[in-house]
Amino acid sequence: GQQLNQSPQSMFIQEGEDVPMNCTSSSIFNTWLWYKQDPGEGPVLLIALYKAGELTSNGRLTAQFGITRKDSFLNISASIPSDVGIYFCAGPNQGGSEKLVFGKGTKLTVNP
Amino acid sequence: SAVISQKPSRDICQRGTSLTIQCQVDSQVTMMFWYRQQPGQSLTLIATANQGSEATYESGFVIDKFPISRPNLTFSTLTVSNMSPEDSSIYLCSVGSGVGETQYFGPGTRLLVL
Repeated sequence: GQQLNQSPQSMFIQEGEDVPMNCTSSSIFNTWLWYKQDPGEGPVLLIALYKAGELTSNGRLTAQFGITRKDSFLNISASIPSDVGIYFCAGPNQGGSEKLVFGKGTKLTVNP
Repeated sequence: SAVISQKPSRDICQRGTSLTIQCQVDSQVTMMFWYRQQPGQSLTLIATANQGSEATYESGFVIDKFPISRPNLTFSTLTVSNMSPEDSSIYLCSVGSGVGETQYFGPGTRLLVL
């Protein structure tokens, strides 16, 4: 089945640093989604990308839909302690019916 | 975005028992989904809850173990039957946003089976 390879698995950074992460797939995606999950909460949608090459920002977050449609990138600029959490990429399952497949997540720790 | 609530938020259950999890949405939605998130893992789709018909299960999940109801367009339940410690997970419901394939998630139900 489809798999999303997300990296890095975890990051330990100092407050103020930028946080780059990416997601790749062996198959083409028409949509890329980025979610954040805080401890004890459900995932919250951060950014949705619908077009190859698209670059979208949401505050300090910037995400790009790779031109090959097989990858996506998320960057958090000037990290702050509340950025702590797990970031997941997701895309539509090839089986359709609006089902999603998720990456394994990037766990972010920010040291003040 | 839709406001989604789940009950219970957490529970500790004995093996062999069953637990029914409720998911309530503040607006009518066509697509509702149930996911499992095992400890330290990503989200795995259990099934799509269809209003007025049986749920559609993903490979590895069966109706006898995870019966699902969808009586209307704002509500669904997932039952975890004959539980074992391996069922200890976070169970999440989500709804389609109606815009592409984006989904919004509930807060999750944290289940511990002893």
